[in-house]
Amino acid sequence: EDQVTQSPEALRLQEGESSSLNCSYTVSGLRGLFWYRQDPGKGPEFLFTLYSAGEEKEKERLKATLTKKESFLHITAPKPEDSATYLCAVWYAGNNRKLIWGLGTSLAVNP
Amino acid sequence: DSGVTQTPKHLITATGQRVTLRCSPRSGDLSVYWYQQSLDQGLQFLIQYYNGEERAKGNILERFSAQQFPDLHSELNLSSLELGDSALYFCASSVAGGNTDTQYFGPGTRLTVL
Repeated sequence: EDQVTQSPEALRLQEGESSSLNCSYTVSGLRGLFWYRQDPGKGPEFLFTLYSAGEEKEKERLKATLTKKESFLHITAPKPEDSATYLCAVWYAGNNRKLIWGLGTSLAVNP
Repeated sequence: DSGVTQTPKHLITATGQRVTLRCSPRSGDLSVYWYQQSLDQGLQFLIQYYNGEERAKGNILERFSAQQFPDLHSELNLSSLELGDSALYFCASSVAGGNTDTQYFGPGTRLTVL
């Protein structure tokens, strides 16, 4: 079954403590992988799109990378305002125009 | 602010009732997507419209229906509501609705069924 799995489910960091979130997928023919940030009770906010293995994108303290089986969202020197749930989603060939979403990683950054 | 608007923000209703959720896409976007998000299931894709036509269907119940109007706003109709329909409902929009188009999400409507 085609799946998107995010790990860990929850992560607690101290301010300044860098870490990585993982999004692994078991689909063939990846067309695009998306990262979103979601604050409680709010709509997901777009962060990055990655299209092919080896691609990297950066935005402030966040850096997303992509391999043939997974994507990482690296958070460097996080701040409390980075606390949120981070979601990934994939498009793949034969998916009939539907994104498959992971359940997210809930990140808490303590001051 | 993504530019996608949704109304109402909150909706409280009783089982068996019918409600309508409204979404206005970003200026220039032709596609609208509807999602349901509950605590235990994450984001569930319901349905997509592109320029007024249904384009893709997900796990949408027969009690739910949607449409996109000529001005491109969309409405999601939920009928015969059950307790389990309580959730956040999000609308997203994209430029064209292609496979790699970025979807921009609205703030959501929180539906509570009592």
